[in-house]
Amino acid sequence: AQTVTQSQPEMSVQEAETVTLSCTYDTSESDYYLFWYKQPPSRQMILVIRQEAYKQQNATENRFSVNFQKAAKSFSLKISDSQLGDAAMYFCASTNFGNEKLTFGTGTRLTIIP
Amino acid sequence: ETGVTQSPTHLIKTRGQQVTLRCSSQSGHNTVSWYQQALGQGPQFIFQYYREEENGRGNFPPRFSGLQFPNYSSELNVNALELDDSALYLCASSLISRGDEQFFGPGTRLTVL
Repeated sequence: AQTVTQSQPEMSVQEAETVTLSCTYDTSESDYYLFWYKQPPSRQMILVIRQEAYKQQNATENRFSVNFQKAAKSFSLKISDSQLGDAAMYFCASTNFGNEKLTFGTGTRLTIIP
Repeated sequence: ETGVTQSPTHLIKTRGQQVTLRCSSQSGHNTVSWYQQALGQGPQFIFQYYREEENGRGNFPPRFSGLQFPNYSSELNVNALELDDSALYLCASSLISRGDEQFFGPGTRLTVL
């Protein structure tokens, strides 16, 4: 079974600064995917970034990047130049290749301070 | 391209009743997954449908059941509602059943009194 742990229930950052959200996971599979999803107050879950476990290169999407440490089973999200619109709940999630059940962490609430 | 839609937006039921939630997949998607998100928690996988067949189920009792239709829309049915069933129910669709990105709908907020 997969587990995903987010140890930071809440984080805050000044607008334009950089913040890192932590995530650790556990899986016995060799092929898996990792995701960060954003859930604003509108409730709609939006994919922020995705990482295939077999790729050593860290994924990057504009201001969002990850630090994927496979041996440590760590998958942190870095948000650069934080904007007010980044305020939301952020969920780390994983799924095994061939089994599309997403396993989510408990989330981190990110507040952006103007 | 039409995104994932869900209906209704909100629903209030009483304990013991039955409820049906609906989801329309994003155009071209053939896989639908349902998740339950209790207040302050991450979503929990209920089950997934691929080409009208159940393709995996989470740790939910049989009173949670589903259907997927030929147009790939889906229903989640919950019988004998309990207070703990109060949650946000999320539907997600994807194109290929291989870990591809799942696109989420806005959810249905179910309150059981």
